[in-house]
Amino acid sequence: AQSVTQLGSHVSVSEGALVLLRCNYSSSVPPYLFWYVQYPNQGLQLLLKYTSAATLVKGINGFEAEFKKSETSFHLTKPSAHMSDAAEYFCAVSDRAGNMLTFGGGTRLMVKP
Amino acid sequence: GAVVSQHPSRVICKSGTSVKIECRSLDFQATTMFWYRQFPKQSLMLMATSNEGSKATYEQGVEKDKFLINHASLTLSTLTVTSAHPEDSSFYICSVGARRGSTDTQYFGPGTRLTVL
Repeated sequence: AQSVTQLGSHVSVSEGALVLLRCNYSSSVPPYLFWYVQYPNQGLQLLLKYTSAATLVKGINGFEAEFKKSETSFHLTKPSAHMSDAAEYFCAVSDRAGNMLTFGGGTRLMVKP
Repeated sequence: GAVVSQHPSRVICKSGTSVKIECRSLDFQATTMFWYRQFPKQSLMLMATSNEGSKATYEQGVEKDKFLINHASLTLSTLTVTSAHPEDSSFYICSVGARRGSTDTQYFGPGTRLTVL
C-alpha cells in the first residue's frame, strides 16, 4: 500500500521568496514520485518526477525536488516565487512508473505581490 | 510530452440523464488509460483503470454500473455517467501512461467539469 501526505493545504509566499511545498510518502516498495501542478479549471501538468536515478530532480518552471529516503520525503522547492506559480500542487507516488498513482491532498500555493 | 484530450470540457445536464466523456490519446497508442475524479478543493481519486479490449478495473467503492467505461481502441476511452445525480457533479480527469526512455509517466487530460442540476 502507498500513501502521500502533503503538509499544509495552503502556502502563501511573497513574490521572489523561496517556495517550499512538503511531501512525505509511505511505500512498501521503492517508489516513483511525481509532482503535478494544476491551474484553475485545468488538468494536471507534470512538473517533475523521481524514478530512482538522481535524488535531486529538476523540473519545469525552475522547480526542483529532492528525494530523501531516510526521511521518506520529496519536497518541492523553487528559489524565487513568481506570480504565475500560484496554483494547486499535487505530490503523487506509484510503485511502478506508469501504474496507478496515489495522490496527496494537494497544496494551494498563493503568491503575494 | 504526450497530448491527451477530453471532450467535452464542460457539461451541464439534468438529473437522470446520462453523460459520455471522451478521452483521446493524440500522440500514441495507449493500452491503458486511467479515470480520476476530483471534488472541489480536493485531491484526485482514481476511479478505474481502462484497458483496451477488456473490462475496466474499478477501485473500491466505485459503482461499475454507474460509471461505464469503454476502451474500444488504442486511442479512445469513454466514461459514461449513467442516470446522473447532483452528487455526481465533479471534475473528471483521464490520464494516459507514456513511456519516455526507460520510464513511464502519466499524462493528464484537461478534465471535464460535470454539473448535474
